[in-house]
Amino acid sequence: SAVISQKPSRDICQRGTSLTIQCQVDSQVTMMFWYRQQPGQSLTLIATANQGSEATYESGFVIDKFPISRPNLTFSTLTVSNMSPEDSSIYLCSVDKLAGVPYEQYFGPGTRLTVT
Amino acid sequence: DAKTTQPPSMDCAEGRAANLPCNHSTISGNEYVYWYRQIHSQGPQYIIHGLKNNETNEMASLIITEDRKSSTLILPHATLRDTAVYYCIVRLTGNQFYFGTGTSLTVIP
Repeated sequence: SAVISQKPSRDICQRGTSLTIQCQVDSQVTMMFWYRQQPGQSLTLIATANQGSEATYESGFVIDKFPISRPNLTFSTLTVSNMSPEDSSIYLCSVDKLAGVPYEQYFGPGTRLTVT
Repeated sequence: DAKTTQPPSMDCAEGRAANLPCNHSTISGNEYVYWYRQIHSQGPQYIIHGLKNNETNEMASLIITEDRKSSTLILPHATLRDTAVYYCIVRLTGNQFYFGTGTSLTVIP
């Protein structure tokens, strides 16, 4: 298994500001992902965080709004830029431990963001 | 995009088996079926996955039809702590997970 921690666990931010969310894994993993879960909704994949290269974004998400870093195999950050109330969501990171093997994907506890 | 269809909600009596259906009629031959659940405000928790054969672990059983177009997650003896949203996901190994809307299961005392 993999133990994932996220910081901060929650935050209240003012519109127009930016927040960087950290995701730390207790072991090296091949793939890391970032999801958004808006209130009362399912999870939506934002992007795949690639180690050593630019993240791969899903349709509807852009790098200027959600810049992602992945400096090594155990850590990634997601920044929510120029926030508006519509960005109020839970942001979750998840990881795949091994490439090419149909193991489960592990999820972090999430970061609850409220934008006022 | 999600490739699964699930009923939005279900109830189950405590102690009885909970059978959660999922349709994935467009599943391809090498896509796996995964089940996760999300208890309020927590990250999704892995339950089980399978390709063709039925699978069982300490949490649940997964029954996949022979044509692989649908599956059923079975919680053999539901408890109040099993109240959660259950997600059925089809996924190619190494690819991303795309979540559908899931089934909100309520276990009733």
